[in-house]
Amino acid sequence: AQSVAQPEDQVNVAEGNPLTVKCTYSVSGNPYLFWYVQYPNRGLQFLLKYITGDNLVKGSYGFEAEFNKSQTSFHLKKPSALVSDSALYFCAVKDSGYSTLTFGKGTMLLVSP
Amino acid sequence: NAGVTQTPKFRILKIGQSMTLQCTQDMNHNYMYWYRQDPGMGLKLIYYSVGAGITDKGEVPNGYNVSRSTTEDFPLRLELAAPSQTSVYFCASSALGQGGAEAFFGQGTRLTVV
Repeated sequence: AQSVAQPEDQVNVAEGNPLTVKCTYSVSGNPYLFWYVQYPNRGLQFLLKYITGDNLVKGSYGFEAEFNKSQTSFHLKKPSALVSDSALYFCAVKDSGYSTLTFGKGTMLLVSP
Repeated sequence: NAGVTQTPKFRILKIGQSMTLQCTQDMNHNYMYWYRQDPGMGLKLIYYSVGAGITDKGEVPNGYNVSRSTTEDFPLRLELAAPSQTSVYFCASSALGQGGAEAFFGQGTRLTVV
């Protein structure tokens, strides 16, 4: 089975500070890992993905994520948060033996001015 | 660039009514998906399709049906609507299977069953 956990319902950070949104996963094979962002009343938008290769993945809008196989984590990071980064963030995983993604419950990121 | 287009954006149904949620994409993607999003629950896969004429059940298919007669269109049918189907529905498409390429999402259909 494949599963993904986002342990924080909400993350609060001040503008200009670094941010981290946590994600852990469980698969039996090799993981394919994704981050998506959802702005209010919109569909999800792709941020970045890890398939293979470098453990540090860079994505859209200055976001990056680090794949850590030993800790089965794929945390989303950004060095300096913007108020406009406030949104709902979803981590998703696909085991190499599965055909579809499993999404986490989402983490609401609130960046205060 | 249209991408993935869903209609309607909002709908209120009475218990027992039926309706079809429309989804069309103009990116010539083979893979299409229907998800439902409930507060605090993330996205649950209802049905997916790997190409015209091929559909398969996802995690929560009960109460829904789909068809895929063309590459562009992937309608979702609700028969005998129930309050438990109150949700926001998203259609998505991708060029490859979900492990290989990112998915593009429509803006969603907010459905209320009363």
